[in-house]
Amino acid sequence: AQSVTQLDSQVPVFEEAPVELRCNYSSSVSVYLFWYVQYPNQGLQLLLKYLSGSTLVKGINGFEAEFNKSQTSFHLRKPSVHISDTAEYFCAVSAYTGRRALTFGSGTRLQVQP
Amino acid sequence: KAGVTQTPRYLIKTRGQQVTLSCSPISGHRSVSWYQQTPGQGLQFLFEYFSETQRNKGNFPGRFSGRQFSNSRSEMNVSTLELGDSALYLCASSPDSSSYNEQFFGPGTRLTVL
Repeated sequence: AQSVTQLDSQVPVFEEAPVELRCNYSSSVSVYLFWYVQYPNQGLQLLLKYLSGSTLVKGINGFEAEFNKSQTSFHLRKPSVHISDTAEYFCAVSAYTGRRALTFGSGTRLQVQP
Repeated sequence: KAGVTQTPRYLIKTRGQQVTLSCSPISGHRSVSWYQQTPGQGLQFLFEYFSETQRNKGNFPGRFSGRQFSNSRSEMNVSTLELGDSALYLCASSPDSSSYNEQFFGPGTRLTVL
């Protein structure tokens, strides 16, 4: 079984400041890692995913994430945020084998202030 | 390509009734998954269908059921509705059942049970 912990439920930040959204996971099997974003009244959109290889993954809208196997973490970062980045961000994992379903964290609400 | 569509977008039902939600995946996608999103429990996996067969099922009571048609469209049904079933129900599609594939989410159906 897998579990995902997003350490911050809300992150307020000023526009053009850097931001880091933290994600830790626990799993008895190898997993793929994902970050999704949800804008108000919309479904989820994939920001980036880590499958294998380089531990630094670049995604859409200037986001990147770093996989750290020893710390079982997959933190999301952006060097300079915009008002339009205000949304809910979800970290998720999916097992290599067996049940294919995504296991999500509880989400982090990023609030970008002018 | 058109995205994942879900109908209806909003639904109000009373306790004890049943409801059917519909999901049309992206053209060519054969895997459809359903998730329930609530403020208290977050995003939880309901089930996944691939080629008209249920591949995986989450930890939900038997009142929650689904099916997939030969054109990959999927429906989920909830019988004997309870207040706690009020949620946003998200459908996601992907080309096949591989864990590493991105899942494309629809906008969801918001169900309110009175």
